[in-house]
Amino acid sequence: AQSVTQLDSHVSVSEGTPVLLRCNYSSSYSPSLFWYVQHPNKGLQLLLKYTSAATLVKGINGFEAEFKKSETSFHLTKPSAHMSDAAEYFCVVSSNDKIIFGKGTRLHILP
Amino acid sequence: DGGITQSPKYLFRKEGQNVTLSCEQNLNHDAMYWYRQDPGQGLRLIYYSQIVNDFQKGDIAEGYSVSREKKESFPLTVTSAQKNPTAFYLCASTLTWDTEAFFGQGTRLTVV
Repeated sequence: AQSVTQLDSHVSVSEGTPVLLRCNYSSSYSPSLFWYVQHPNKGLQLLLKYTSAATLVKGINGFEAEFKKSETSFHLTKPSAHMSDAAEYFCVVSSNDKIIFGKGTRLHILP
Repeated sequence: DGGITQSPKYLFRKEGQNVTLSCEQNLNHDAMYWYRQDPGQGLRLIYYSQIVNDFQKGDIAEGYSVSREKKESFPLTVTSAQKNPTAFYLCASTLTWDTEAFFGQGTRLTVV
C-alpha cells in the first residue's frame, strides 16, 4: 500500500523568507515522488520529480526537494518566497501502478 | 498539440440521473486516471487503467464506473449510487507509472 501525508494544510511565510512544505510517504515499492502546484483556477503544473537518481532534486521557479529514504520524506523548499508562489502544493507518490496525491498544502505569502 | 481533453467543463444533472464525463488523450499514454478534487481533500483516486480493456478501482470507486475500450479514451460514469457527486473531476494520463502525469482541465459536476 502507498500513502502520502502532507503535514501542514496551510503555511504562511513573508515574502523573501524561506519556504518549507513537508511531505512524508509510505510505499511497498521503490516510489517515484513528485510535487505539483495548482494556482487558483488553474491546472496542475509539475514542479519537480524524483525517480531514483540524485536525492536532491531541482525544479522550476527555484524550488527543490530532498528525498530522504531513512525518514520517508520528500520536503519541498525554496530559499526566498515570492508573491507569485501563493498556491496549493501537492506531494504525489507513484508506485507500481498507482499515483496517489496528498491532501495539499496551501501556501500564503505575506507582503 | 498533444494533450488531454475533458468535456464538458461544466455539467449540471438532476439527482438520480447517471452522467458520463469524457476524457480523451492524444499523447499515446498507456495509463489513465480519474480523480475527484474536493476542498481540503486533495485529489482522490477513483479509477485507473494501465492498459486497454483493463482498469482498477482506486480509493473511492463506489458509485462510479469506467471503461477503457480504446487507448485514447477513458470515460467516467457517475451513477445515481454516488451519494455526493457534486465535485470537480480531473482526468490524467502517464506514459508509465513513474513519469509525469498530464492533466485535463477538469469537469465541474453539479447535481441538483
